[in-house]
Amino acid sequence: KQEVTQIPAALSVPEGENLVLNCSFTDSAIYNLQWFRQDPGKGLTSLLLIQSSQREQTSGRLNASLDKSSGRSTLYIAASQPGDSATYLCAVRPGYSGGGADGLTFGKGTHLIIQP
Amino acid sequence: EPEVTQTPSHQVTQMGQEVILRCVPISNHLYFYWYRQILGQKVEFLVSFYNNEISEKSEIFDDQFSVERPDGSNFTLKIRSTKLEDSAMYFCASIRDRGDNEQFFGPGTRLTVL
Repeated sequence: KQEVTQIPAALSVPEGENLVLNCSFTDSAIYNLQWFRQDPGKGLTSLLLIQSSQREQTSGRLNASLDKSSGRSTLYIAASQPGDSATYLCAVRPGYSGGGADGLTFGKGTHLIIQP
Repeated sequence: EPEVTQTPSHQVTQMGQEVILRCVPISNHLYFYWYRQILGQKVEFLVSFYNNEISEKSEIFDDQFSVERPDGSNFTLKIRSTKLEDSAMYFCASIRDRGDNEQFFGPGTRLTVL
C-alpha cells in the first residue's frame, strides 16, 4: 500500500527566504505526482504536476523535482512571501493501471508560515 | 477559468440521517472523484466514476455510500445513514480524460454530523 510522508510537518520562516518542502513515497511505481496548496478551511489548488518520466517542473517561484527511483520529491519556493502561508500537500497516482481513474494518495502536508 | 463547484458549502445533519452532497465537475471532464478529509488528517480517496459507473473505490467507500450522475452536469455523493465519524470535508474532483493527468478539486463541503 502506497504511503506518502511529508517533512517537515510545519515550518515558519521570515519573508524572503528560499525554502524546500519534502515528500517521500514508498512505492516508486507512480504515474505522476501533484503538489497542492490548501488554505485553512478551503479546497485544494493544484500547483504543479510532474509526470513519472519527468525530473522537474517550474511555475513562477515554484520548482518541483521528482526522483522516482528513490521515492522522493521536493517543492522549492523562492523568495517566500506572506501570501505563501498555507498547507502544501503532495499526492501521487499509482502507475499500475496507466492512470486515468485512479485515486490520489496524499501526504499529511507541510503547514507553512511566512513571517512578514 | 472553468472550475469544479460543490454545494452546499456546509451541511449539518443528525446522526442516522441521509445526506446528499452535490458537485458540478468541469463541463468537458469525463472522470469524477470524491475524497474526504477528516479534521487534522490526510485527504483520503473514496471513489472514482467514469461512464456512469464506479471505476475504483477505497475500503472507506462501504455500502453506506453511493454515487450518481443524475444528469449531464451533477455528480452526487449520498451517505445513507450518517455516523459521527462521517464528519469531514468532502472534496469532489475531475479530470478531462485518461491522458489528462491533473485533477481539479472543488472547494469542498464541510459535513457535520451531530
